[in-house]
Amino acid sequence: NAGVTQTPKFQVLKTGQSMTLQCAQDMNHEYMSWYRQDPGMGLRLIHYSVGAGITDQGEVPNGYNVSRSTTEDFPLRLLSAAPSQTSVYFCASRFDTLMNTEAFFGQGTRLTVV
Amino acid sequence: DQQVKQNSPSLSVQEGRISILNCDYTNSMFDYFLWYKKYPAEGPTFLISISSIKDKNEDGRFTVFLNKSAKHLSLHIVPSQPGDSAVYFCAASARGGTSYGKLTFGQGTILTVHP
Repeated sequence: NAGVTQTPKFQVLKTGQSMTLQCAQDMNHEYMSWYRQDPGMGLRLIHYSVGAGITDQGEVPNGYNVSRSTTEDFPLRLLSAAPSQTSVYFCASRFDTLMNTEAFFGQGTRLTVV
Repeated sequence: DQQVKQNSPSLSVQEGRISILNCDYTNSMFDYFLWYKKYPAEGPTFLISISSIKDKNEDGRFTVFLNKSAKHLSLHIVPSQPGDSAVYFCAASARGGTSYGKLTFGQGTILTVHP
C-alpha cells in the first residue's frame, strides 16, 4: 500500500516556467488537498477537492491550478513560476469530510524558483 | 487571520522528562483536533487526535488535552525520547461553516530532546 505518492521530490524552475506537481493516492479517499510549507508559516492550504470533478480554493490559491478527473490523482499546476513560490509542497488525502479522520501526507516536493 | 496558533517556535527538553506543546484556536466551529509530527525531508505523519466531545485522549506516551472554553489544546509526551525530536504541528477541522472539511494548521513547534 503506497499511500500518497508525490513526484518529483525536487525541482528547480526558472521564473516564468510552468510545471505540474503530481499526487496520487491508492486509499480511495474522497478528499485531497495541496499545502505549502514555509518557515514560520506552518502548512497553508492551496487548493482542495472533495471528490472527482470538484475543486475549490484554499488560503493561498493564486498562481496555482488544480483538477480532479479521477479519485486517485490530484495534480497541482504552476502556470508561471515566481520566486515567491519557492517552498515545500505537500499533497494530502483524507477518507471524507463527514467523518472526523486524519489526513495522510505525501513525502513532499521541494521547489526552488530562480 | 491565523485561526490556529502555536506560540512557541521551539522547545528543548531533557530525555525522560515531560514535553508539553501548546496550541490555541479562534474558530468555535472546529470540532476535531489533530497533532502531526514531521521529520526533516519527510511528510507530516499523524500522531494523535481528539474530538470536541472529549477533553483528553491518550495513546501510549502521548496525551492530548482539550480545553474548549479556553480554545486551547496541548500535547504531553511522557517520557520524552531523543527520537521525539521533530517539528510538531497542531491542526483543526470543522464539519460545518466555511472551514468545512479543511485542516487548518498552526505554525509548528520544533521539539528537541537532549540525551
